[in-house]
Amino acid sequence: SQTIHQWPATLVQPVGSPLSLECTVEGTSNPNLYWYRQAAGRGLQLLFYSVGIGQISSEVPQNLSASRPQDRQFILSSKKLLLSDSGFYLCAWRDEENDGYTFGSGTRLTVV
Amino acid sequence: AQRVTQPEKLLSVFKGAPVELKCNYSYSGSPELFWYVQYSRQRLQLLLRHISRESIKGFTADLNKGETSFHLKKPFAQEEDSAMYYCALVPGGSYIPTFGRGTSLIVHP
Repeated sequence: SQTIHQWPATLVQPVGSPLSLECTVEGTSNPNLYWYRQAAGRGLQLLFYSVGIGQISSEVPQNLSASRPQDRQFILSSKKLLLSDSGFYLCAWRDEENDGYTFGSGTRLTVV
Repeated sequence: AQRVTQPEKLLSVFKGAPVELKCNYSYSGSPELFWYVQYSRQRLQLLLRHISRESIKGFTADLNKGETSFHLKKPFAQEEDSAMYYCALVPGGSYIPTFGRGTSLIVHP
C-alpha cells in the first residue's frame, strides 16, 4: 500500500541552528512531492515541489531549501534557522491512484 | 496566477443546521478542485474532488464555472463535522495545488 512518512513530529531548535526534515513515500515510484507550511489563518503555503530526483522548484524566497536525493525521499533543510521559520510543515505527494494529494502527519517546528 | 478564496475564517452552527462553506476561485482555464478536511490532531485528508461528483460524509460540492465557485454543503451538520476545511485548486495540466486559507467549522450540540 502507498503511505507517506514524515519525521520528526515535533522539533524545537535554537535560532541559527541547522534543520533537516525528512519525508519518504512508499508504494509508488517517481511521485510528485511537495513541502507546504501551514499557518493558522494563512492556509497552506507551497514552499517547494519536485517532479523527480534532483528536480526542485521553489515557490517563495526564504531561508529554506529542499533536496530530493532519492526517488521517494524529500528533505527540507535550512543552514541557519530564524524565528520566523517556526510553523507546521507538511509533506505531500500526488496520489495518482486516488486522483488527489496525500499529506504526511506534519512536523511542528518551534525556533527559540 | 490562480487564487482560492475562502471568505469565512470561522463558521459556527448548531447540530442539525445546514452548512455551506464557501470557496471562490480565480483561474481562466479548467481547474481541478478539491476539498480537504483536517480533524483535530489528524492529518489533512481529501474529502471531495469535483470530477468525481460524489458525496462523502453527507457533504457535496458543485463546481459553478459561471460564478467560479466550489462551495461545500451539507444539509444537516453533525458535531463530528467540526474541523478545518480547505478548498484547493489545481490548474489544468499542472500538478501544483493552491489552497485557500481554510474555514474552521464548529458544530455545537
